[in-house]
Order: sequence, then structure tokens, then C-alpha cells
Amino acid sequence: ETGVTQSPTHLIKTRGQQVTLRCSSQSGHNTVSWYQQALGQGPQFIFQYYREEENGRGNFPPRFSGLQFPNYSSELNVNALELDDSALYLCASRTSPDNNEQFFGPGTRLTVL
Amino acid sequence: AQTVTQSQPEMSVQEAETVTLSCTYDTSESDYYLFWYKQPPSRQMILVIRQEAYKQQNATENRFSVNFQKAAKSFSLKISDSQLGDAAMYFCAYRRLNSGYSTLTFGKGTMLLVSP
Repeated sequence: ETGVTQSPTHLIKTRGQQVTLRCSSQSGHNTVSWYQQALGQGPQFIFQYYREEENGRGNFPPRFSGLQFPNYSSELNVNALELDDSALYLCASRTSPDNNEQFFGPGTRLTVL
Repeated sequence: AQTVTQSQPEMSVQEAETVTLSCTYDTSESDYYLFWYKQPPSRQMILVIRQEAYKQQNATENRFSVNFQKAAKSFSLKISDSQLGDAAMYFCAYRRLNSGYSTLTFGKGTMLLVSP
């Protein structure tokens, strides 16, 4: 167990809908990264939040957005869902952006129909 | 851009035997970190071992060791005395040194099957 939790475990949405995924980090972990892991692929970096501000983004469109809260929880929001958004979404938290030791949650499996 | 390649989609090993998983990467940086992560069916990514590129000595963690060849940009993982619990997807990953928001770049993974 890494102390990082994600909810929900599974989610089914239809194309065009919006979805919010949640992550709860360990206390003191002020940096959270989100990754998208398509079936049969390695995780791909979406963005990172540090002290409630986005401070890095991968090659994902603006309809992927996030929030980080003072209580070490965070959200990933995806608008206008597309079929290709079907994937496992992982969050990973750490004590600072420079810390190599990051702790992953178990992920949320999103299916877009 | 950095890329990580794992050329073995699947590997099999018997309990107590040794297996080596391969990874190559491409980067123009001279300093960076390399990682092996394990993702069991529970989906939770777990760090297995980490290597700093400026260190010549290969990292070791109990039954897990790496063969880091910087010039060849190769970073293989050796698992000794394999156990049933080692069965999982293994990902090789790269991270730039001293990059505040630096992300992990992952390979596509190698599924390790362990038989009794």
C-alpha cells in the first residue's frame, strides 16, 4: 500500500460527457502528477500540480484539467469525452517536485462508450 | 524528446530461476534517472529499483539488480531467485535530472510470467 487512494475504481461514460476523477495523497505530499495508461501501453504524463498550481503539462489538450486542494487531494477533469480517453488514470504524489520517490495510486479505469 | 523502448512484450521464468528484462532509451541529456516499476494486477505501480546516470555502480535491491550501460543507453533488470509474487507488468522509466516538474517517460512494459 502506498497511502495514495483514487476514486472511483471504475467508471463508464458516454462520448461527449464530462468526468471527474479523484486522488487522495499522503499527508505532506504537495506534488501530484496524473498519468493516462491506455491498454497495452505505459503511462503517459498528463500534468503535475505543485502547491495547488499546475507546473507542468504533457501533450494533452486543454479539455484535460485539474485541481489540487490544501488537504492533499486532487482532481482530474476531462470534458467532451472521446472514445480514445478510455484508459487507466493514475495519480502519483510526492513531497516535492524534485523528489524521485513518488507513490502511485491504484488508478481509475475509465471506459468511454 | 526522450524515448524508452522495451522490446520484450512478455517473458517467462520458472520459480527460483533468473530472468533479465531489457530496456533501451534515447536521450541527449548526460544526467538523468532510470527506474524499473512493477505493476501487478492490482494496478498500483511500485518502484522496484532506481539508477542515477552519474553513478557507475549498478543499483541492487535484494533480488533485483540492474545492468546500466550508459554509452549503449541500455538499462536491463535482472531478477534472481524468481518468486510467484514477481509476476507482473514491468515498466522501465526515465526522468531528467533536476527538472522541477520533470515527468517520468515510460516504456510499453514487459509482462513477466512466473511458473511453479
